[in-house]
Amino acid sequence: QVQLQESGPGLVKPSETLSLTCTVSAGSISSFYWSWVRQPPGKGLEWIGYIYYSGGTNYNPSLKSRVTISLDTSKIQFSLKLSSVTAADTAVYFCARGVVPAAMPLYYYYMDVWGKGTTVTVSS
Amino acid sequence: QSVLTQPPSLSGAPGQRVTISCTGSSSNIGAGYDVHWYQQLPGTAPKLLIYGNSNRPSGVPDRFSGSKSGTSVSLAITGLQAEDEADYYCQSYDSSLSGYVFGTGTKVTVL
Repeated sequence: QVQLQESGPGLVKPSETLSLTCTVSAGSISSFYWSWVRQPPGKGLEWIGYIYYSGGTNYNPSLKSRVTISLDTSKIQFSLKLSSVTAADTAVYFCARGVVPAAMPLYYYYMDVWGKGTTVTVSS
Repeated sequence: QSVLTQPPSLSGAPGQRVTISCTGSSSNIGAGYDVHWYQQLPGTAPKLLIYGNSNRPSGVPDRFSGSKSGTSVSLAITGLQAEDEADYYCQSYDSSLSGYVFGTGTKVTVL
């Protein structure tokens, strides 16, 4: 059964770049949308974006100028970089496997497997 | 800030039925985009509960059911159990925002 595990620094300074990695185990990376979601303390979920296994990306327009998601198929990992962070980027960051069933349009996307999440605090 | 609105909180006694609404607009649910539901137990990651408005993944009890009507969708929990105490989120696509959005979230408390 596929499992996802986030890793990366728990503390990032303001104006710097947040970098996280998600390792995929016991599963194939093909035909899925490898995704990131975040949750500020005490608040709801926010979709950050995804990378398709073939390399195409889609980002939340509100974060697009600062976000890069990349995929390392050899290591079966995908990564998130968020630049110029502020305190507002403090959150639990989740990686997730996105699914669009065959013959369904892209808007049908949902996330069926999630990592446990990692807390990132932006502070000097 | 979310374009999908849910009631902040609901409660029910064990065995009762609770229904969580997710209300959108013509750029998301009203445009025909499908809705998915997630359950987030305290201190854990979200878990897929319903996909495509009304489909349950393998392993999800049939006490959970989803439905859609016009610009509103709902998640029903019948035979409420203590283990159902969690936050619930809807998710869909919004054409105005050109992205995927979550609902505001609903905290369900079992009395």
